[in-house]
Amino acid sequence: EVQLSESGGGLLQPGGSLRLSCGASGFTFNNYAMSWVRQAPGKGLEWVSAINGNGATTNYADSVKGRFTISRDNSRNTLYLQMNGLRAEDTAIYYCAKANTIFGVVDAFDVWGHGTMVTVSS
Amino acid sequence: ENVLTQSPATLSLSPGERATLSCRASQSLSSYVAWYQQKPGQAPRLLIYDASNRATGIPARFSGSGSGTEFTLTISSLEPEDFAVYYCQQRGTWPPSVTFGQGTRLEIK
Repeated sequence: EVQLSESGGGLLQPGGSLRLSCGASGFTFNNYAMSWVRQAPGKGLEWVSAINGNGATTNYADSVKGRFTISRDNSRNTLYLQMNGLRAEDTAIYYCAKANTIFGVVDAFDVWGHGTMVTVSS
Repeated sequence: ENVLTQSPATLSLSPGERATLSCRASQSLSSYVAWYQQKPGQAPRLLIYDASNRATGIPARFSGSGSGTEFTLTISSLEPEDFAVYYCQQRGTWPPSVTFGQGTRLEIK
């Protein structure tokens, strides 16, 4: 069964740092681009960042550029999101999501994790 | 930046009725549009990709159409489990990016 499982969320103060992880199973991880998508409480979906299968190409939403870093360890089937300089507006559920096809960096997302909550508050 | 506008914001219908949800883009998207369903407390579920292709396991009552700047998700006959929030999504190839619409809430009338 294809699965994604996020971890690493928590409560922290503005300006803090956090690293999220997403473990993958049931598919050939290094063949697929992956993304992080977030959802603030009661709000819609916001794409955060994407990385291609070999990790060579990444991109970020303007709202997190320069503060967040996406990476992956294909030997561990794990996706990461390093979050620095956190702000209250970064409070959200963070989902990792798998690209639907083996092409490109972004695509439709056919598999999603359950999400991990990040709360930034003083 | 390509902006996706979904309409209506809320759609109130009864089981058995037909639902038509719209997604309008500020710039042409070719066919790079996907649709998702999200229920409370759950992750989104992919319904349609590349404008008109049903994802694996999605019932035939869900269909997608459109091209350019106008896209539609149609649910031919609503089942009780279809009442949820629906999002459209587009992808830009370079730089690689993703945009979601603001969502349409489909509620029971």
